[in-house]
Amino acid sequence: SYELTQPPSVSVSLGQMARITCSGEALPKKYAYWYQQKPGQFPVVVIYKDTERPSGIPERFSGSGSGTMVTLTISGVQAEDEADYYCLSADSSGTYVFGGGTKLTVL
Amino acid sequence: QVQLQESGPGLVKPSETLSLTCAVSGGSISGYYWSWIRQPPGKGLEWIGSIYYSGSTEYNPSLKSRLSISVATSKNQFSLRLSSVTAADTAIYYCARVYRAADTNPGYFQDWGQGTLVTVSS
Repeated sequence: SYELTQPPSVSVSLGQMARITCSGEALPKKYAYWYQQKPGQFPVVVIYKDTERPSGIPERFSGSGSGTMVTLTISGVQAEDEADYYCLSADSSGTYVFGGGTKLTVL
Repeated sequence: QVQLQESGPGLVKPSETLSLTCAVSGGSISGYYWSWIRQPPGKGLEWIGSIYYSGSTEYNPSLKSRLSISVATSKNQFSLRLSSVTAADTAIYYCARVYRAADTNPGYFQDWGQGTLVTVSS
């Protein structure tokens, strides 16, 4: 079955840049989305269609893609950015798949 | 802003059927795809399946044999039934509205309910 691979954890110092990657064979043909999930809350989309940022999401969140990998970048990480981050996409048959999630720790 | 609210039993016995309903308010269920997603405690997210307001369904192949999703447009709600449950089905179950457009492949889960914890235990 199709998989999206994320690092389990990323640590970054306050004010520095965080990069979270997501790799999958179908990503060149399917858009990816990034969700932020804080404890006890439902996920919130922070990036859609690889690079688009929804209204209300801070400008420090950005997305990029190259080949079979997409990347979520958080520039100038704030304490409130500490959360789990999940990428979402789909396989060739349209089955939605989430990445395993990355726990972002702000030092 | 559309709001979604899951409801149903919080405890289900092994081998029985898990049934949940998602009530949609602040907007019509018509014209959209709607999904169920779950998250075992402390683990990641898993897409369960989706339904169009007209009734056409898409299921996760790993759950398809046990799964049924239906829609009741007159009540502005949709439902999930998962049969023959085991402890592995213990999770927070979320309902969500799917955003899809011609230039958006795949669509994504735009609006979410708060989620409801379902525990499978005797």
